Amino acid sequence: GESVGLHLPTLSVQEGDNSIINCAYSNSASDYFIWYKQESGKGPQFIIDIRSNMDKRQGQRVTVLLNKTVKHLSLQIAATQPGDSAVYFCAENGDNYGQNFVFGPGTRLSVLP
Amino acid sequence: DSGVTQTPKHLITATGQRVTLRCSPRSGDLSVYWYQQSLDQGLQFLIQYYNGEERAKGNILERFSAQQFPDLHSELNLSSLELGDSALYFCASSVGGRVSSYNEQFFGPGTRLTVL
Repeated sequence: GESVGLHLPTLSVQEGDNSIINCAYSNSASDYFIWYKQESGKGPQFIIDIRSNMDKRQGQRVTVLLNKTVKHLSLQIAATQPGDSAVYFCAENGDNYGQNFVFGPGTRLSVLP
Repeated sequence: DSGVTQTPKHLITATGQRVTLRCSPRSGDLSVYWYQQSLDQGLQFLIQYYNGEERAKGNILERFSAQQFPDLHSELNLSSLELGDSALYFCASSVGGRVSSYNEQFFGPGTRLTVL
């Protein structure tokens, strides 16, 4: 597969454990955030989003938490599976229209058997 | 398979040259987005088109241009290529003009551009 980033921070978790991936965002005016998953050799995939008027949003096995005070976003994956191994990016909207997303550097999640 | 197709898959060219990357969105999607992913700068939004019109602009260099045709496919033109333009270029599409969980983006497999 293609190399997304050779020096990304890596989180290694045991299969079945919960994973927490963190992201610090830069713009205090950002009002919309997305988490993406990128598997090796593929394009990013939308996982879950959250607006700034919320502090928590749950999906299927995933939860996003937003702390606007410290400009911090986290993605929690419950019961991590081998198929969750990928690079995860957070993205914040960088303009009023919200399409100029600014992406974080990414975290590589490695699921150990 | 996301339904978004990109050609070519790989492209190798020399500095100073011009290339065209092509994207076909999912059937029914009106928006096309272009992104650049490089090792040093990560993933960056370049530009978005909606139903043939430019909708939003990101970190796109003046040497780069894009357009969306009446059949909704899009092309990204990169000219006066430099070594630093070597990257993965992704196209994404969505039905509407604003990304959200109700208007999800679907990404293509990317074009790997290598500038020698």
